[in-house]
This record gives sequence, C-alpha cells and structure tokens, in this order.
Amino acid sequence: RKEVEQDPGPFNVPEGATVAFNCTYSNSASQSFFWYRQDCRKEPKLLMSVYSSGNEDGRFTAQLNRASQYISLLIRDSKLSDSATYLCAVSYSGAGSYQLTFGKGTKLSVIP
Amino acid sequence: GAVVSQHPSWVICKSGTSVKIECRSLDFQATTMFWYRQFPKQSLMLMATSNEGSKATYEQGVEKDKFLINHASLTLSTLTVTSAHPEDSSFYICSASDTGPQHFGDGTRLSIL
Repeated sequence: RKEVEQDPGPFNVPEGATVAFNCTYSNSASQSFFWYRQDCRKEPKLLMSVYSSGNEDGRFTAQLNRASQYISLLIRDSKLSDSATYLCAVSYSGAGSYQLTFGKGTKLSVIP
Repeated sequence: GAVVSQHPSWVICKSGTSVKIECRSLDFQATTMFWYRQFPKQSLMLMATSNEGSKATYEQGVEKDKFLINHASLTLSTLTVTSAHPEDSSFYICSASDTGPQHFGDGTRLSIL
C-alpha cells in the first residue's frame, strides 16, 4: 500500500460547482498535513495546512479524519483559475524536519 | 515572505555533462533544504534532505555519488547531477524550511540529449 494515495482524476466540473478531493495516508504516526496546488510544469504552492479541527480559507475547506486516516479538500463555487493538480502531503516527526510525503495529485479542470 | 529561488529554470545538455542546480532562500534562513524529482504524471519524490553544514541524507535508491548535494550556508544548497544521462531528465525541485512548512523553488527542467 502506498504511503499517500489520491484519486488522480481528472475531475471535470462546471464553473460554480462544489468539488471534493480525498487523500488517504498509511502512516498512523503522521502529524502534519497539507494541501498543495501545482500548475502544469510549475512548482507546488502551499494552499493550506490541515488542522485536526478542520479549517477554512475562503472557498476552500480542509478536514482531517485521523481515525480513518484521510484528509479532504472541499472547493466551493469553483473558478476557472482553480484548474490545477492538487497534491496532499503528509509528514511525521520521525522523518525529521517536516519531511513530506506527497500523493500523486488529483487533477481538476473547471469548465466554463 | 518565504521566497525560494531556484536556478537555472531549464537546462538542455549532452549526455555525460554535469549539471549544477542552485536553491536559495531569499528572505529567511533555511535550516533544512529538500531536493525532489518529479517525472511526468508522477508525484514529487524526495531525493535527499540537507541540513546546513552537515552531509545530506539520501532516500533509498538515490545514488549519493551521482547526485551531489552541498549546503554550505543557511540560504544556499546546490544539487549537482554528475555525468547526466537521458534517464536523469526530469523536473528537479528544491524546497526550504526553517521550522514550518516547506516552501518550493520554481523548479529546474533538465533535459539530457
């Protein structure tokens, strides 16, 4: 079983739609969780950290379920500019210094 | 804040050439720098973790003599791909961290002919 797994998609959604991605992780000692956004042929950019209580940033909501070992990202009112690949990343202190393990990413295409 | 600069952005060179990639944290001191490689439609794969002033820790399967990492200061790390071959062609990305999340450089697209 891979350490961090995501549905690769693509998710093709119309503008204004709500879309949700899940990401599962295998290491129960994982401590920190993040969602990154990666545009084609670009570096990943931190979208948001994921906290145990769940957190929201504008149209984006992230949640963590430790019992089931998954994190989720919800995007409301999708914009064309949201089209990108969304990577989840997980770290645990045993790896040292916020060493991250990334999923392969979920591709989102928002269609006019 | 938290800007990481990576240079060069794009390299095309002949097989057997050694290529050096620089990663700089511009507005913070990076305790740790990370080097990743990403093949098309694949996830970012960590190659090595580098702490300033000490030897890099390489992930399993990454040849340390092939991928030389130097982290001489808190703001600069370099990755040298020695005697590069076509199978080394990939997108190489560095990231830097003080004690918080990693911040990524722009990446270097390496093409070996």
